[in-house]
Order: sequence, then structure tokens, then C-alpha cells
Amino acid sequence: EAQVTQNPRYLITVTGKKLTVTCSQNMNHEYMSWYRQDPGLGLRQIYYSMNVEVTDKGDVPEGYKVSRKEKRNFPLILESPSPNQTSLYFCASSSRARTEAFFGQGTRLTVV
Amino acid sequence: EDQVTQSPEALRLQEGESSSLNCSYTVSGLRGLFWYRQDPGKGPEFLFTLYSAGEEKEKERLKATLTKKESFLHITAPKPEDSATYLCAPMDSNYQLIWGAGTKLIIKP
Repeated sequence: EAQVTQNPRYLITVTGKKLTVTCSQNMNHEYMSWYRQDPGLGLRQIYYSMNVEVTDKGDVPEGYKVSRKEKRNFPLILESPSPNQTSLYFCASSSRARTEAFFGQGTRLTVV
Repeated sequence: EDQVTQSPEALRLQEGESSSLNCSYTVSGLRGLFWYRQDPGKGPEFLFTLYSAGEEKEKERLKATLTKKESFLHITAPKPEDSATYLCAPMDSNYQLIWGAGTKLIIKP
């Protein structure tokens, strides 16, 4: 089954404690991206990657890091989380043709 | 500046009551316009892509249309299971999606 898998689904952490949200896709997609979704706002792109070892900033990259060492994995790293990073996060992947994006189940992060 | 506005923010309908959702956009070099459905606490699910003005696509009770400035998602005789948030996302000349805030659709039985 084609899917994008994020872990964990829920995470409560404290300010300043480094964390990683994993994302893996099994569709051999070149393009992967991370979004955050907050009430009343549209999906906002954090980072994206067009292929292995190629990453670029989206609209709201401050406070986040990513890496793309393998085609299937695209982890999101928060080196020093702050309460304003409390949000619902989605990983997505799509083929090079960008015909449609497949989304993960989401990670609800709370930073206290 | 690229922007997209969806209206209304929320729409409550009775089962069987047809209506339309609007997506107005200003995007340079439009590559396509995408519609997604999102259920609470879940990731968006792809519905349609429209590539040029005048194009229409249908899926069950949903039909999406596109003009040079707007896209409409028409829902005919909706059922309670059609309740969800519908997201519109034009793709710009750099292949980046510009996401609207969504329309929350509630269908009452």
C-alpha cells in the first residue's frame, strides 16, 4: 500500500529539548516536504526536498532543520523547540511530475 | 504576490442540499490547481487537479471547475459523509503549492 508514515503521532515536550519527527514514504517519490497547520491558517511549508541531498527553505523555516540522506526518509528536526512551534505537522511526498501529493497522518506537537 | 482565498470559511447544509465552494486565486504562472479533502486530525487527501481554464473534473457528488481567477467545487446532493474541510491549492511557476485556509463543510442528516 502506498503511504507516507510519520512518527510519532502525538508528542508533548518541554522547551529546548531537541526532537526529531520521522517521515518515510514507500512510493519512490523524489519530492518531499514538511508543513505545519495552525487553526485559521492554510498549510504552511517549512522545508522541501527535490531529491536526495537537495533541500530548500519553505515559507516558515525558522527553528527547523531537515535532512535527506535517503530517498525514502525526510526527518524534521527541532533543535530547541519553543511554545510557538506547537502545531500539527504533516509530511508529504509526490513524484517529479508533481501531479498529486500524498500526506502522512500528521504529528500533533505540543511544546510546554 | 501569490495568494488564494477560500469562501465561505464554513458551510452548513442539509443532506441533499447542493451548493458550491469558492477558491479565488492570484498566482503567477499557474501550473495547476489542486483540491484536497481533509478530515479532522488527518492528512489532506487528493481529489482533483485542474490545469486550464474551462476544465472540469468529477468524482461522485463532487465537480471541480476552473476559470482564470477562480475555481469552484460543486457538491450535488451531499451526504453526511461528505462533511470535511476542503482545501484549494494553486501551484505556481516554481511548482510550489499556495494553500488556502479551507472551507469547513458540515452536512446535517
